[in-house]
Amino acid sequence: SAVISQKPSRDICQRGTSLTIQCQVDSQVTMMFWYRQQPGQSLTLIATANQGSEATYESGFVIDKFPISRPNLTFSTLTVSNMSPEDSSIYLCSVDQAGAGETQYFGPGTRLLVL
Amino acid sequence: AQSVTQLDSQVPVFEEAPVELRCNYSSSVSVYLFWYVQYPNQGLQLLLKYLSGSTLVKGINGFEAEFNKSQTSFHLRKPSVHISDTAEYFCAVSDKEDTDKLIFGTGTRLQVFP
Repeated sequence: SAVISQKPSRDICQRGTSLTIQCQVDSQVTMMFWYRQQPGQSLTLIATANQGSEATYESGFVIDKFPISRPNLTFSTLTVSNMSPEDSSIYLCSVDQAGAGETQYFGPGTRLLVL
Repeated sequence: AQSVTQLDSQVPVFEEAPVELRCNYSSSVSVYLFWYVQYPNQGLQLLLKYLSGSTLVKGINGFEAEFNKSQTSFHLRKPSVHISDTAEYFCAVSDKEDTDKLIFGTGTRLQVFP
């Protein structure tokens, strides 16, 4: 399976600031996904990112708050904008590998605490 | 819309005992089913998946799961657990017609005691 890395692994931020999370894959992938896991809860899909097109956001998530870039087939970023304590979560990226489109593999996550 | 129910939020068990973590999904349409494990302070790791074929699937670390279409269930089992199996386990489902939408259950915390 693909090897996925995320930066930063964790961060503590002040409210009102923004943080950009990077997701890097060691092979080309068609789809990249961004999820949020709030404390003690399950994963919720934020958006799906295709290379060369705008991300598709799920209900409850908007581009102004979570802008996403997908400049090539191995890299994506998620920005958490104008943060509040409610944004404290683990943010995970996932990919579905070419030839295994039905299976998603996850990165290690970025643990964000907003004060 | 699909939904996934993991009835047990926590399952305490002694080492070397068998364990079953329950998962039910809502729809009877064709689905793909997955179990992921999340160890403390780590991301999600794929344990096993059911795409088609045999209803009994074997995964890593001695885990297996059985797809039961009539019961819309995909319970995870291990005959003898180890301390290192202590983790959060998530069941997930996607429709075969829309595999991008992976729906997760709320998770089951497996706590293995010595």
